[in-house]
Amino acid sequence: NAGVTQTPKFQVLKTGQSMTLQCAQDMNHNSMYWYRQDPGMGLRLIYYSASEGTTDKGEVPNGYNVSRLNKREFSLRLESAAPSQTSVYFCASSARALGDEQFFGPGTRLTVL
Amino acid sequence: GQQLNQSPQSMFIQEGEDVSMNCTSSSIFNTWLWYKQDPGEGPVLLIALYKAGELTSNGRLTAQFGITRKDSFLNISASIPSDVGIYFCAGRSNFGNEKLTFGTGTRLTIIP
Repeated sequence: NAGVTQTPKFQVLKTGQSMTLQCAQDMNHNSMYWYRQDPGMGLRLIYYSASEGTTDKGEVPNGYNVSRLNKREFSLRLESAAPSQTSVYFCASSARALGDEQFFGPGTRLTVL
Repeated sequence: GQQLNQSPQSMFIQEGEDVSMNCTSSSIFNTWLWYKQDPGEGPVLLIALYKAGELTSNGRLTAQFGITRKDSFLNISASIPSDVGIYFCAGRSNFGNEKLTFGTGTRLTIIP
């Protein structure tokens, strides 16, 4: 059981480039989430998917898009990366919709130059 | 939006000491969670609290759901080197937005 996996682990982009962060979970969870973590800011929710086929904005959605590809996979896309998007990105999942016990992936460290 | 104030921001202690940290909210929460994050890893859930006044232990860790429902506390007894990391509180309210709100973290360092 791998839990929540994320790829890539590290990425460096130039301003204006695009990329997709991948996330997959093998726990048959219904809900999945994307957070960003910045120094002194805690974890902030970007987007979430309460169940397969639905997605909703979180606290900081601007500049991002998401796709819930199937029950297992939830991707985060940066269409035109900006230096302000330099951060560590975490994917998480929970068994029930907006469930409390969220399980996190290992994170993707993104730098935008 | 909701705000969670977590304190202290950082702690420097010696091995064997006890640790206390807390979180306070600007609004009432019906769930409090405590997570630990090791360097280079994602947060891992330590303790979940669902009832005001609840006191729950997980090994050397004890967490309490404050009776005002606006705060929570985490204590670590007899700290050991593997306790090093960042501890986050998270909470959820009853009203409107039901997504988790995370605190800013307490960074625990053990001085040799």
